[in-house]
Amino acid sequence: DSGVTQTPKHLITATGQRVTLRCSPRSGDLSVYWYQQSLDQGLQFLIQYYNGEERAKGNILERFSAQQFPDLHSELNLSSLELGDSALYFCASSVESADYGYTFGSGTRLTVV
Amino acid sequence: AQKITQTQPGMFVQEKEAVTLDCTYDTSDQSYGLFWYKQPSSGEMIFLIYQGSYDEQNATEGRYSLNFQKARKSANLVISASQLGDSAMYFCAMREFNSGGSNYKLTFGKGTLLTVNP
Repeated sequence: DSGVTQTPKHLITATGQRVTLRCSPRSGDLSVYWYQQSLDQGLQFLIQYYNGEERAKGNILERFSAQQFPDLHSELNLSSLELGDSALYFCASSVESADYGYTFGSGTRLTVV
Repeated sequence: AQKITQTQPGMFVQEKEAVTLDCTYDTSDQSYGLFWYKQPSSGEMIFLIYQGSYDEQNATEGRYSLNFQKARKSANLVISASQLGDSAMYFCAMREFNSGGSNYKLTFGKGTLLTVNP
């Protein structure tokens, strides 16, 4: 157990639907990062939150949004889902110095059918 | 823009031998961090080793060492005494810092699939 909890582990949904992925960071970590891993794009950075505030945006589609709540858990909302959104979605957390690396959750595997 | 290149899509090694996984990076920043992660078939991302750009010595963590050649912008991972459980995808990643100083994203390479043969 890495200390970063992601739910659900698997999700199968239809095109056009909306889903919410949840992440609880490791205790003490203020930063949360979301990544998408697909066969063709590899690991792509989506968005970073730090202590409730958005800090950086990567290749995140407008159909996707995220937020970090006061208790530091984060949610990634994916809407109007397309087949191409099928991927493994990772959440990671870190302390500020991060010399110890970023701790990843086990991921949510999203399948859009 | 930051960039990480892993030129070996796949590598094979015999059990108990050493193997080097290549990683080159491109950055104009003076301060950066380099990471290696392991992703077994089960999918989780496991942190292996970290090298800071100002670290003068190569990082080591058990059987993992990082061969850091700053002038050549390379950060190769060396796994000594390979084990069957080392079979996995390995990713090199680089951290860039944002202007606010808080932690920032990792940029990943495409990965190298390592297979350890008995």
